[in-house]
Amino acid sequence: SQQGEEDPQALSIQEGENATMNCSYKTSINNLQWYRQNSGRGLVHLILIRSNEREKHSGRLRVTLDTSKKSSSLLITASRAADTASYFCATDDPLQYNFNKFYFGSGTKLNVKP
Amino acid sequence: DAMVIQNPRYQVTQFGKPVTLSCSQTLNHNVMYWYQQKSSQAPKLLFHYYDKDFNNEADTPDNFQSRRPNTSFCFLDIRSPGLGDAAMYLCATSLSVQETQYFGPGTRLLVL
Repeated sequence: SQQGEEDPQALSIQEGENATMNCSYKTSINNLQWYRQNSGRGLVHLILIRSNEREKHSGRLRVTLDTSKKSSSLLITASRAADTASYFCATDDPLQYNFNKFYFGSGTKLNVKP
Repeated sequence: DAMVIQNPRYQVTQFGKPVTLSCSQTLNHNVMYWYQQKSSQAPKLLFHYYDKDFNNEADTPDNFQSRRPNTSFCFLDIRSPGLGDAAMYLCATSLSVQETQYFGPGTRLLVL
């Protein structure tokens, strides 16, 4: 299946440090999205990057996409304790008949220590 | 301001007792999704509606059904909950295909 894999599974850093999470996927995509989930809550959309884009920024977030390697990375700069959450990548699969579906990876659990 | 609303936030049911979870949206989005998420796992898509067009995932158990009576509301019915159905159930919407999904806060289901 297309389900992405995040790496690392868990990451613990000090406040102020940068956090980098990676996502790899198996088949071609139209777009890739990153979501954040605070413990016991719903997911919040962070960034959508399309297959013809290589990098996108949003505030302290930077997402890169390398379609040749089938991978994406999410960088959070100058992390804060409030960034503590699980981060998921989600990919579509244009080879599937139904284009509405997204496949979520298993997530990276980020802990930012004050 | 809430855009995707799920009720209740917590639901306790008994083994085998039918339960319905609800989701409503104020975004007027065409697509509504139901996901199941177990502890420390990825959200797993159960089914989705594009308008009134229902799309079931191949591995979604028959025990799970859904209804979308209008654009704003979508329901998840679990006909005979088992202990393995205890999970967080997430509703999401998107305007159209391959677009950003907006998630509700989730309903945490406990089966006794």
